Order: sequence, then structure tokens, then C-alpha cells
Amino acid sequence: AIVLNQSPSSIIASQGEKVTITCRASSSISSNYLHWYQQKPGAFPKLVIYSTSYRASGVPSRFSGSGSGTSYSFTISRVEAEDVATYYCQQGSSNPFTFGSGTKLEIK
Amino acid sequence: QVNLLQSRAALVKPGASVKLSCKASGYTFTDYYIHWVKQSHGKSLEWIGYINPNSGYTNYNEKFKSKATLTVDKSTNTAYMELSRLTSEDSATYYCTRGSSYIYHPYNWFAYWGQGTLVTVSS
Repeated sequence: AIVLNQSPSSIIASQGEKVTITCRASSSISSNYLHWYQQKPGAFPKLVIYSTSYRASGVPSRFSGSGSGTSYSFTISRVEAEDVATYYCQQGSSNPFTFGSGTKLEIK
Repeated sequence: QVNLLQSRAALVKPGASVKLSCKASGYTFTDYYIHWVKQSHGKSLEWIGYINPNSGYTNYNEKFKSKATLTVDKSTNTAYMELSRLTSEDSATYYCTRGSSYIYHPYNWFAYWGQGTLVTVSS
């Protein structure tokens, strides 16, 4: 199975700050197959970025993604209070599809 | 608009089985795989498997092959997941989610999710 190592496990940021989450895969993945989700407390996950760098419908432009091979990143350019959530990367390349362990974002 | 409506929470006894449902609306049911994902309390997400509603073909995570059985009823646009021989390790929230188009975007992202079904295994 492809293991996705996500870091950091938690971030405390100020509003307006830039935050970056990394996701490292145990095997190389085509960028088409790496996606990012936001999960707020008590809610289902929401697709934010698909295929490494494409924003899902309705997602603000402050969210972005990049990467290739085994190294991917997810960035919020200017954190807002509504961004408090846990973020997960996910690979859809090979069975079993796997998720990272999550990064919990809190606001100072 | 796409909607996935899942069955309500279930309290089941150890050793029993439970069948969860996921009713799809707002799109052509047979055009997209339905995937199931497990989330234990406070933990990350685990992919269980998917079913092709058109053919009934299933693809499971090896870890869940003897635990979960995926089926569909095309007449009601409903997907089902039966969990068998339940233990406390199966207590979790289970989500159904629609995969990306397997024809045009076979990259297995999940843009639409059900609200989740909480399964509690307890005597």
C-alpha cells in the first residue's frame, strides 16, 4: 500500500498567515491522483484540491496545491478563521486508496 | 444537485451484522462508482472499497474484504454496505462518496459525500 506521510500533524497560525502542509508518498504517484480534503468538526470531508493543483468548485483562491512524484504540498496563502479544520491528502492511484494522517489547523 | 443520503445511526451487538444504505440523487447513478470510507472517532480516513453501479463490479481494500460487502439497487439508486461479525473495532462513522468520472477523470477523487452513518458496536 502507498503510505502518505503528512506533516505537520498540527498547525497553530494567525489570521492572514501563510500555511503549508506537505504530503510525502512511499511510492511515486502521478500528480493526477493526489487530492486534498478539508474536514471541519462534525462534518464530512470536503474536496478542496484535486489532481494536485486544481481547486474544486467554489473553493477560494487562497487554497493551492503543487508537487509531483512523491512530494506534494498544500498551501493556504492567508489563513482565515473559517479555515479551522483538519486537512487530509489522498491518493487514488493504487488499491488501497489511502489518506494521510491529517493536519489539524487552529487559529491563534 | 448531487446528494447522497445515508441511513441513520445504528447500535448493534458484537457478532451481529448491519447493512448501511446510501441513496443517490441529482445525477445518473450508473455513471459513477460509489466508494465507502471509514472514520474511527478522532482518526483519519480509511478507504473500504467501491462498487460500479452499472455492472455491480466491486473492488475492495484487502483489509476489508472479509468485513464489508458492497451492493447496489439500480431501481432505487441506492448503494448498500453490509458489515459482518461486528466488533468494537468496527465502531466508526462510515461515509459513502461518489468517485470522479471513471470515464473522463479516472483519478478517484471524492467530490460528493454522504453525511455519514455512525455505527456503534456494543452489548
